[in-house]
Amino acid sequence: RKEVEQDPGPFNVPEGATVAFNCTYSNSASQSFFWYRQDCRKEPKLLMSVYSSGNEDGRFTAQLNRASQYISLLIRDSKLSDSATYLCVVSRQNTGNQFYFGTGTSLTVIP
Amino acid sequence: DGGITQSPKYLFRKEGQNVTLSCEQNLNHDAMYWYRQDPGQGLRLIYYSQIVNDFQKGDIAEGYSVSREKKESFPLTVTSAQKNPTAFYLCASSKPRGMNTEAFFGQGTRLTVV
Repeated sequence: RKEVEQDPGPFNVPEGATVAFNCTYSNSASQSFFWYRQDCRKEPKLLMSVYSSGNEDGRFTAQLNRASQYISLLIRDSKLSDSATYLCVVSRQNTGNQFYFGTGTSLTVIP
Repeated sequence: DGGITQSPKYLFRKEGQNVTLSCEQNLNHDAMYWYRQDPGQGLRLIYYSQIVNDFQKGDIAEGYSVSREKKESFPLTVTSAQKNPTAFYLCASSKPRGMNTEAFFGQGTRLTVV
């Protein structure tokens, strides 16, 4: 079983739409959770860390459900510039703080 | 500005040749990582290092070698034993311990075998 699983999409949404991405992780010892954004042919960049209480950064909201081992990312009022691949990432210290990446969810925001 | 620098950005290799990809960071991070990304796929861990003079194999280490002689530097050698080396290679670094310690990435090296 993969460490991190994501729906690969693609998600094609109109500008202004709200879109949600989901991710599950297999190891309950996972301790840190992140969403990264990767533009085409570029390196991944941190979008936001995900905290147990949930957290919001502008139009982006991340939620963590430890009991279900589930992470989500909600994007409100989608912009054309949000088009990218979104990577779900987890890490845990018992493997030397390795990072485990989902395969990514592709988002295209359409004018 | 602190960050991670990978070079070169593009690299072409003839079959049978070894090539070395450079990764340098000035973030004072102890941990460094090498990943490979193939089109439409996720990142796969090649090697990682938690501290100078120590490194561990990742999921796909065969055909690759690394060294960690300095904290700032973690070069990756793609040897002729790697049968399908054409890919996008990403180097990352992080603080080794602690909650919500994210990975920082270099801009990547795109390797093509010709």
